[in-house]
Amino acid sequence: RKEVEQDPGPFNVPEGATVAFNCTYSNSASQSFFWYRQDCRKEPKLLMSVYSSGNEDGRFTAQLNRASQYISLLIRDSKLSDSATYLCVVNRGATNKLIFGTGTLLAVQP
Amino acid sequence: EAGVAQSPRYKIIEKRQSVAFWCNPISGHATLYWYQQILGQGPKLLIQFQNNGVVDDSQLPKDRFSAERLKGVDSTLKIQPAKLEDSAVYLCASSPIDRGRSSYEQYFGPGTRLTVT
Repeated sequence: RKEVEQDPGPFNVPEGATVAFNCTYSNSASQSFFWYRQDCRKEPKLLMSVYSSGNEDGRFTAQLNRASQYISLLIRDSKLSDSATYLCVVNRGATNKLIFGTGTLLAVQP
Repeated sequence: EAGVAQSPRYKIIEKRQSVAFWCNPISGHATLYWYQQILGQGPKLLIQFQNNGVVDDSQLPKDRFSAERLKGVDSTLKIQPAKLEDSAVYLCASSPIDRGRSSYEQYFGPGTRLTVT
């Protein structure tokens, strides 16, 4: 079993739609959680950190459920520019080692 | 602020040949990471340096891969000899050390796309 699991998609949604991605992790000792965005043939970039209390950044909302070992990302009012792969990332702790999921591909259609 | 620099951007070699990649992290970043990203997968950590010391190389195939960061700044990753399954993008990342936190953002370079034929 992979340590971080995501649905690879693709998710094809129209502009303006709301879309949600889910991710589960297996190591209960994981300490920090992130969503990274990766555009086609580009490097990953941090989108947002994920906190237990939930956090929002504009159209993006991230949630963490430690009891269920589950992370989510909600994108409201999707834009064409949101088309990318969204990587769920878990940090094991002391050494800042990041474990990446396979990514979920989002394609926003006009 | 300049980002993480990597070279070359692309490399095509035949199996059993050798190849080396170079990375220059963001100035002042003590921690440097090399990742391998195979098509359709997320990045996988190969090796992590803090200054010039190795923190984690548990997933580095040491029979063929080696990496060094001699002066605690730039780094090279070498594959010798290459296999077909080494075809991937090799990403370098760096991060500062924030002693007040256990995790901090990693900044990635553009990567080197390796094709082994």
